[in-house]
Amino acid sequence: EVQLVESGGGLVKPGGSLRLSCAASGFTFSSYSMNWVRQAPGKGLEWVSSISSSSNSIYYADSVKGRFTISRDNAKNSLYLQMNSLRAEDTAVYYCARDRGVTPDAFDIWGQGTMVTVSS
Amino acid sequence: SYELTQPPSVSVSPGQTASITCSGDKLGDDYAYWYQQKPGQSPVLLIYQDAKRPSGIPERFSGSNSGNTATLTISGTQAMDEADYYCQAWDSSTVVFGGGTKLTVL
Repeated sequence: EVQLVESGGGLVKPGGSLRLSCAASGFTFSSYSMNWVRQAPGKGLEWVSSISSSSNSIYYADSVKGRFTISRDNAKNSLYLQMNSLRAEDTAVYYCARDRGVTPDAFDIWGQGTMVTVSS
Repeated sequence: SYELTQPPSVSVSPGQTASITCSGDKLGDDYAYWYQQKPGQSPVLLIYQDAKRPSGIPERFSGSNSGNTATLTISGTQAMDEADYYCQAWDSSTVVFGGGTKLTVL
């Protein structure tokens, strides 16, 4: 079964750090670009970051640039998001999502999400 | 920055056709994508590359994209289709989502 499972969410104080992980299974992880998408409580979807299959191309939303770092370990079938200098507005469910295409395309597989709460 | 605009809400009667629009500057020049999200669940890909349906998505879901507007059409809407719907596009190498449309089936 094709699956993405996020972990690492939790409660953190403003200015703190957190590292999210996404474990992939059921497909050849190293062949796909991957993404992080977040959703604040009661709000819509917001793309956070993307990374190509070989980590050669990495992109960030302006809202997280300079604070978040996306990475992957193809040997471990895992995607990561290091989040530093966290703010209250970073509070959200964070999803990892697979890009279905060779070129930028749709997100066809999503994880169940992990909740990040930034509060003092 | 590029923006996609969706109506906040759309209502439809069971069995009727629902249309959800997504507007963006020259959106028709690139692909549009659609996702469905039910409460407490992760998004599900409904339509990719304007009008293609992934395996397992019912035929009543269809998409089109031309000019500045992409449209998701749900024919013969069912109660189970009540959900939030999001359009998505790529702007250079970044991703843009529409604000989402809540579909009410009543």
